Amino acid sequence: GAVVSQHPSRVICKSGTSVKIECRSLDFQATTMFWYRQFPKQSLMLMATSNEGSKATYEQGVEKDKFLINHASLTLSTLTVTSAHPEDSSFYICSALYTPQNTEAFFGQGTRLTVV
Amino acid sequence: QKEVEQNSGPLSVPEGAIASLNCTYSDRGSQSFFWYRQYSGKSPELIMFIYSNGDKEDGRFTAQLNKASQYVSLLIRDSQPSDSATYLCAPSSFGNEKLTFGTGTRLTIIP
Repeated sequence: GAVVSQHPSRVICKSGTSVKIECRSLDFQATTMFWYRQFPKQSLMLMATSNEGSKATYEQGVEKDKFLINHASLTLSTLTVTSAHPEDSSFYICSALYTPQNTEAFFGQGTRLTVV
Repeated sequence: QKEVEQNSGPLSVPEGAIASLNCTYSDRGSQSFFWYRQYSGKSPELIMFIYSNGDKEDGRFTAQLNKASQYVSLLIRDSQPSDSATYLCAPSSFGNEKLTFGTGTRLTIIP
């Protein structure tokens, strides 16, 4: 299958700082990427849809000014958690739609964020 | 009503037996259905997808879809300990590939 690389896999940051997470499609171009958050023993919750060259579409209840998404190229989307707080600690996962079929989404390895 | 419902489990199945995982969904506009496997602390891995009513087989896995009943299932034959994981059901609509995940079913294969 297609490869999606997410970096870093694990990050610890101090409360009030910002953290950037990268999601790259390594062997295909992805016009659409998705960002999810998963709390322990819960399912994946979609945060936003990232479209190359345009503004991200955020799900209801997700603060766009706190979770900044940039999809500047066909192979890279970034999620920046600004002014992180302990309640932002979670497992963040990106996925990319595999083109040209646009019917399958492949996931990155995930990023475990811990805010202390 | 939740958009996607799955029995959270845990579901315990003896090694070598058939594991049956079920999923119901509320959005009648859903056209494609994905099953993902997620090991603890890891991201989801695509197992199967199905678009048409009926059965689709891939190795030990069989997906079954009944759009009229808004029901999709995953059967795992000859279950192995390595199949122990959480299985996530995710319907999607063509043209809107945003996946809505169920809560997942935790499957444990007992050696």
